[in-house]
Amino acid sequence: GAGVSQSPSNKVTEKGKDVELRCDPISGHTALYWYRQSLGQGLEFLIYFQGNSAPDKSGLPSDRFSAERTGGSVSTLTIQRTQQEDSAVYLCASSARLLSGNTIYFGEGSWLTVV
Amino acid sequence: AQKVTQAQTEISVVEKEDVTLDCVYETRDTTYYLFWYKQPPSGELVFLIRRNSFDEQNEISGRYSWNFQKSTSSFNFTITASQVVDSAVYFCALSEARSSNTGKLIFGQGTTLQVKP
Repeated sequence: GAGVSQSPSNKVTEKGKDVELRCDPISGHTALYWYRQSLGQGLEFLIYFQGNSAPDKSGLPSDRFSAERTGGSVSTLTIQRTQQEDSAVYLCASSARLLSGNTIYFGEGSWLTVV
Repeated sequence: AQKVTQAQTEISVVEKEDVTLDCVYETRDTTYYLFWYKQPPSGELVFLIRRNSFDEQNEISGRYSWNFQKSTSSFNFTITASQVVDSAVYFCALSEARSSNTGKLIFGQGTTLQVKP
């Protein structure tokens, strides 16, 4: 697609429920990233994918968070047993390659509210 | 340790004024990349510029200009003749070459710019 596409754009969920956030990167981009933006923490790096592989999961806040990418394209970020502190904007991004100098393009984010 | 500091939390100017957004970074790498992103109310982070650590040449793009000074570890962003559409949150970010296996961006806390008509 023309840009990074994320869905849902807004999600309100009850505490304890699971949520899935989806990201469709720019066509042809092999690297995909998830960031979280919250009031108290600013922009936090969560995880990256090179192809379907995520070598480093240490940025995920807890074991309730998981992410996968299939077919080298779409990625889903899953939060199990959501907590109120999970409320944030989850931003997905992609770049042509996994290199530090590559420009990273962001989607509009999925706004998650846990009530 | 790597860190990006944007000391200005909020700036308010009147349209047509010039405004400079400050960014100071810390890194132990000799090779690194610096970025500026704009986040309008829609939420999407819009890429503005990328510089590498070996290129200290300043850059101008229309009303936007960037001043990169390694001696002071700063990468400041100036908007000339600001417009209401420039109102947004602006983020400075750092990517270290040794993070080349992650492409990870380290962001500053952002500066909220309000341009009043």
